[in-house]
Amino acid sequence: GQSLEQPSEVTAVEGAIVQINCTYQTSGFYGLSWYQQHDGGAPTFLSYNALDGLEETGRFSSFLSRSDSYGYLLLQELQMKDSASYFCAVRAFSGGYNKLIFGAGTRLAVHP
Amino acid sequence: NAGVTQTPKFQVLKTGQSMTLQCAQDMNHNSMYWYRQDPGMGLRLIYYSASEGTTDKGEVPNGYNVSRLNKREFSLRLESAAPSQTSVYFCASSEEPVSYEQYFGPGTRLTVT
Repeated sequence: GQSLEQPSEVTAVEGAIVQINCTYQTSGFYGLSWYQQHDGGAPTFLSYNALDGLEETGRFSSFLSRSDSYGYLLLQELQMKDSASYFCAVRAFSGGYNKLIFGAGTRLAVHP
Repeated sequence: NAGVTQTPKFQVLKTGQSMTLQCAQDMNHNSMYWYRQDPGMGLRLIYYSASEGTTDKGEVPNGYNVSRLNKREFSLRLESAAPSQTSVYFCASSEEPVSYEQYFGPGTRLTVT
């Protein structure tokens, strides 16, 4: 089967650094994506890692280790507006098609 | 450039009623998707369309039908709504295989009583 595990909640203070981990089990793995979703809003794309290593985009970085079936999203210089849910999503070929399988999400609360 | 648009934004149905959720994108994407999001469960794929004229089932297709009317539009139909279909429905599109980024619409909040 396929599964993704990520923490349900994370709390941090403004200006700090937070890391959201994601472990997955799937066959036909292509890559790992991260999406951000504010309450009442739509998911928005943050990053996609197909190869091992760290990808940096501004204050956000994403890491993938294919051998460990593990990735993380690193948020630096946290701001109040970063309070949102963050979803890891595995791109995999399964059941005859390419699909994006989402984790249950991590709710990040940033406090002053 | 509106991106992905969905109508309606909110809907309340009685059990057994039918309705169609509309989705349109103006980014000339080939791939389009319908997801549902339930509290604490992330997004689950209902149906997808890799190109105009093709549709395929996702993880949770039971109780739904779709139509890819043209390259821009992808609709989701509930033939006989059930309380278990109370959810938030998102349409998305992507430029696969050029890019794996999916662009989401604002969602439809559906309640079935």
